[in-house]
Amino acid sequence: NAGVTQTPKFQVLKTGQSMTLQCAQDMNHNSMYWYRQDPGMGLRLIYYSASEGTTDKGEVPNGYNVSRLNKREFSLRLESAAPSQTSVYFCASSERTAANQPQHFGDGTRLSIL
Amino acid sequence: GDSVTQMEGPVTLSEEAFLTINCTYTATGYPSLFWYVQYPGEGLQLLLKATKADDKGSNKGFEATYRKETTSFHLEKGSVQVSDSAVYFCALNSGGSNYKLTFGKGTLLTVNP
Repeated sequence: NAGVTQTPKFQVLKTGQSMTLQCAQDMNHNSMYWYRQDPGMGLRLIYYSASEGTTDKGEVPNGYNVSRLNKREFSLRLESAAPSQTSVYFCASSERTAANQPQHFGDGTRLSIL
Repeated sequence: GDSVTQMEGPVTLSEEAFLTINCTYTATGYPSLFWYVQYPGEGLQLLLKATKADDKGSNKGFEATYRKETTSFHLEKGSVQVSDSAVYFCALNSGGSNYKLTFGKGTLLTVNP
């Protein structure tokens, strides 16, 4: 009963390095999301994918790219990491993009940029 | 735009005390409302939801009622346990252009034995 699985759980990078955060869901959901969580700011949407083959920007997309590899997987890439990207990153999925659909979250990736 | 305001806490209670965490919102149209809970080191788990006015969401002894007239969705529990210690987030989804959840800043609850 995995739900939403994120890897890695922790990562430390140096400024300018690149990395990809992986996310996979086993609930056959159509929609997937990437959020970042910063102290005192709640969660903010970075990118989302309403369905396989589509991706769209959220409220804080700068510095990130995403790939919806297939229905199960949605990855987030930092091309040139900056200290401002130090955060906890959460992937989520929902059956479809509708206001009444709850989003199900993974356990997060804690990322530090030095 | 959409926004959620919740009491920031921290809230500290004794076991078996009554809990209320206030949440009010601003949104276009008729949003769906959610409470999520985050235990230390874990992701967010859906606690309960309500999708239209006067709906009551409930789960694990927690309740919240969608009050359109006061734009509120306050979380309540009659008797808290130590295991309820966590951060609680109120959120809404108004189905805008990106179907994002708009979250409050979270309320840290600590329950002492």
